[in-house]
Amino acid sequence: DGGITQSPKYLFRKEGQNVTLSCEQNLNHDAMYWYRQDPGQGLRLIYYSQIVNDFQKGDIAEGYSVSREKKESFPLTVTSAQKNPTAFYLCASKVAVANEKLFFGSGTQLSVL
Amino acid sequence: AQSVTQLGSHVSVSEGALVLLRCNYSSSVPPYLFWYVQYPNQGLQLLLKYTTGATLVKGINGFEAEFKKSETSFHLTKPSAHMSDAAEYFCAVTTAWGTGNQFYFGTGTSLTVIP
Repeated sequence: DGGITQSPKYLFRKEGQNVTLSCEQNLNHDAMYWYRQDPGQGLRLIYYSQIVNDFQKGDIAEGYSVSREKKESFPLTVTSAQKNPTAFYLCASKVAVANEKLFFGSGTQLSVL
Repeated sequence: AQSVTQLGSHVSVSEGALVLLRCNYSSSVPPYLFWYVQYPNQGLQLLLKYTTGATLVKGINGFEAEFKKSETSFHLTKPSAHMSDAAEYFCAVTTAWGTGNQFYFGTGTSLTVIP
């Protein structure tokens, strides 16, 4: 079945550590997105990518980094510069047509030890 | 830029009662509007969307929404609530203009259904 796979489902970060969240899609979508979700704040865009080897910062990119080396993959690294990383992270993808929907993965809950 | 406001972060209804979740948007160009539902610890699923054409759109699980340009609203309704409707609901807007097909989400409304 086509879809978006996020792993791991739960992740724990130690102080000063970088961690990487995986996002893989087999929908042949050009555009991919990372959102951060905090209670009561909705979804906030971290980074997005419309094509391979290109990506743009969203509203809250500080402390995060991404890469888009393959069309199917868009990993997110939460660096030690992100001082408040505890949140639910959602990856999404869509075709490059404006009125089409976002497809979401099932999310990764990141917590700080 | 676009934005979405969802009035009421928490809504409670009795089972069988009308569900009304409010969404107002801001956009300087014609919007595309979406409602998503999220169950605990899961991703978001599309309920329905408005792009062009008929302003009353029907979605899955008996939900519908009406695009009212004059009121800049896209409220979500369901005639009779079911226990399985308890979830978080998000309204989102995007447009054909700008870069990256960015979606702008509201802060969400948590729906509780009382038996």
